[in-house]
Amino acid sequence: DAGVIQSPRHEVTEMGQEVTLRCKPISGHNSLFWYRQTMMRGLELLIYFNNNVPIDDSGMPEDRFSAKMPNASFSTLKIQPSEPRDSAVYFCASSLGQGLNEQFFGPGTRLTVL
Amino acid sequence: AQSVTQLGSHVSVSEGALVLLRCNYSSSVPPYLFWYVQYPNQGLQLLLKYTSAATLVKGINGFEAEFKKSETSFHLTKPSAHMSDAAEYFCAVSDVDTGRRALTFGSGTRLQVQP
Repeated sequence: DAGVIQSPRHEVTEMGQEVTLRCKPISGHNSLFWYRQTMMRGLELLIYFNNNVPIDDSGMPEDRFSAKMPNASFSTLKIQPSEPRDSAVYFCASSLGQGLNEQFFGPGTRLTVL
Repeated sequence: AQSVTQLGSHVSVSEGALVLLRCNYSSSVPPYLFWYVQYPNQGLQLLLKYTSAATLVKGINGFEAEFKKSETSFHLTKPSAHMSDAAEYFCAVSDVDTGRRALTFGSGTRLQVQP
């Protein structure tokens, strides 16, 4: 089992640019979660999907952020336009169920917006 | 809404000493509780979880936690710290009573183990 796969592992971009983060959940898992981790705010849930459908996006900071899950094996988190305050580590996690079962985390994408 | 509070953002212990990391939860009904560990530059890994079965839960790497409803606590312990335990530890809660079942994480406790 390859675990949750995220790409890229590191992203450095300039303010105003579009950023796309990618996630491949563990095969067979039907829930997918996007988190953001910063020193100031800790670990925050941005959005989660169940069976490819967004269930709760109340954690998405603003309209610049969008997430999609076109199929069971792929999800994207897009920031357009990016801002320096978006700099953080973004984690994707997957689980079987909606949170009562263990969430398996990917290695994260470290985003730096200059 | 459920929440968790982790007391102490940094804890330092000597190798071989008892590890105690504190977590208190706030929930309208007994929740599901989790402890995760994060090693540097890695994602989070589940240590253990409480899902309303036994109140004393044993996890990986010798860690265990006890659910105490009267104290609304779920503290993490390990009898003897090892250098490899140095990491950040997160307590998390999942409220079984609401439709929103994603985890809410505490602010984390960084554990240092001194030789």
